Amino acid sequence: DIQMTQSPSSLSASVGDRVTITCRASQSISTYLSWFQQKPGKAPKLLIYAASSMQSGVPSRFSGSGSGTDFTLTITSLQPEDFATYYCQQSYSSTLTFGGGTKVEI
Amino acid sequence: QLQLQESGPGLVKPSETLSLTCTVSDGSISTGPYYWGWIRQPPGKGLEWIGTISYTGTAYYNPSLRSRVVLSVDTSKRQFSLKLSSVTAADTAVYYCARQRVSGRPGVAAAEPDNWGQGTLVTVSS
Repeated sequence: DIQMTQSPSSLSASVGDRVTITCRASQSISTYLSWFQQKPGKAPKLLIYAASSMQSGVPSRFSGSGSGTDFTLTITSLQPEDFATYYCQQSYSSTLTFGGGTKVEI
Repeated sequence: QLQLQESGPGLVKPSETLSLTCTVSDGSISTGPYYWGWIRQPPGKGLEWIGTISYTGTAYYNPSLRSRVVLSVDTSKRQFSLKLSSVTAADTAVYYCARQRVSGRPGVAAAEPDNWGQGTLVTVSS
């Protein structure tokens, strides 16, 4: 299986901050990488697919970049509703795998 | 607006079979290009893909669970289902059903989930 490693596992930030989350794949996955946001007690929500394509309805402060093995999710000007856990997920392999998550908290 | 809803017992005894159904509303399960998948999340932990099925019934499983999982689909009822046998406490999790996009990668069927059910907690305990 392709292992997905996120860093950091958690971070503290303030409203208005720029936040960057990193996801590294154990092998090259081209741009078959998605990002999800999950709030407590809720299902994950798709933010970014194909490494940098924004899902419909997602605020433009969210952006994704990267290819191969290294990817980033950036949130410019963090908003109160952005405090959540973020997961990356690869679909390069037929066995889909997720990163361990990054919790963004105050 | 597409909605997915999981249903099934919230408590299953060890060694028994966990059975869940996902009902798709406001949309046809046969409408492409989509697949239908199951993902689970143990309490306080990360996400694990269980498997994916097409509306024609072709299923793809996580190798780590393959020996215990069976997926099925009933297009007339707009439902797809999960059966996980020989459960243990390690199978305690929130189980999500989801719609998955078709992958653009040759040899890979399904890609990212773009619509999720609300999830249902299944506890394995005697």
